[in-house]
Amino acid sequence: AQKVTQAQTEISVVEKEDVTLDCVYETRDTTYYLFWYKQPPSGELVFLIRRNSFDEQNEISGRYSWNFQKSTSSFNFTITASQVVDSAVYFCALTITGNQFYFGTGTSLTVIP
Amino acid sequence: SQTIHQWPATLVQPVGSPLSLECTVEGTSNPNLYWYRQAAGRGLQLLFYSVGIGQISSEVPQNLSASRPQDRQFILSSKKLLLSDSGFYLCAWSRWGGSTDTQYFGPGTRLTVL
Repeated sequence: AQKVTQAQTEISVVEKEDVTLDCVYETRDTTYYLFWYKQPPSGELVFLIRRNSFDEQNEISGRYSWNFQKSTSSFNFTITASQVVDSAVYFCALTITGNQFYFGTGTSLTVIP
Repeated sequence: SQTIHQWPATLVQPVGSPLSLECTVEGTSNPNLYWYRQAAGRGLQLLFYSVGIGQISSEVPQNLSASRPQDRQFILSSKKLLLSDSGFYLCAWSRWGGSTDTQYFGPGTRLTVL
């Protein structure tokens, strides 16, 4: 069975601080895909990144970076120099087949000005 | 580019009334389509997905149903709403044949059942 755990329910940081959102996944399949989505107060889920299980390279996109470690089944997301616009709920997700996405329960991030 | 629309944006309905939520995708053909529900303060639950016209798979048995009358149209319905149907309904699409491709979400419909 597949499962995604986001143990951090809510996080608050002061603007310009760095923050890491944790994601731990469970699957017995060797081929899988991991995702991060951002849900701002408007509600729409915005796709941030997709990573397959054969690519453990970390990725950086501007202030965002992702650390994928198969040894610990983790796919953590770091925001550097956080801004108020980063305030949102962030979801980590896992899929094997593509049709069934397993979402974590989300981490609510509040960036305080 | 591809765009996904949902309407209405918000809806307040009495218990026992019918429901029809619509989702349409532009800029792509033969998309896979999905309906999710997000209860307040909780994660996403996949309700239905469709890989083609008239092809619907249900993930969770409940009083909701889905239909796909056209290639890029996905409808979520209910004959009689329950209080527990309240939530945020999200439609998503992914590329046909890209079974492990990214799902892109619409703006959502916020449903309140009173």
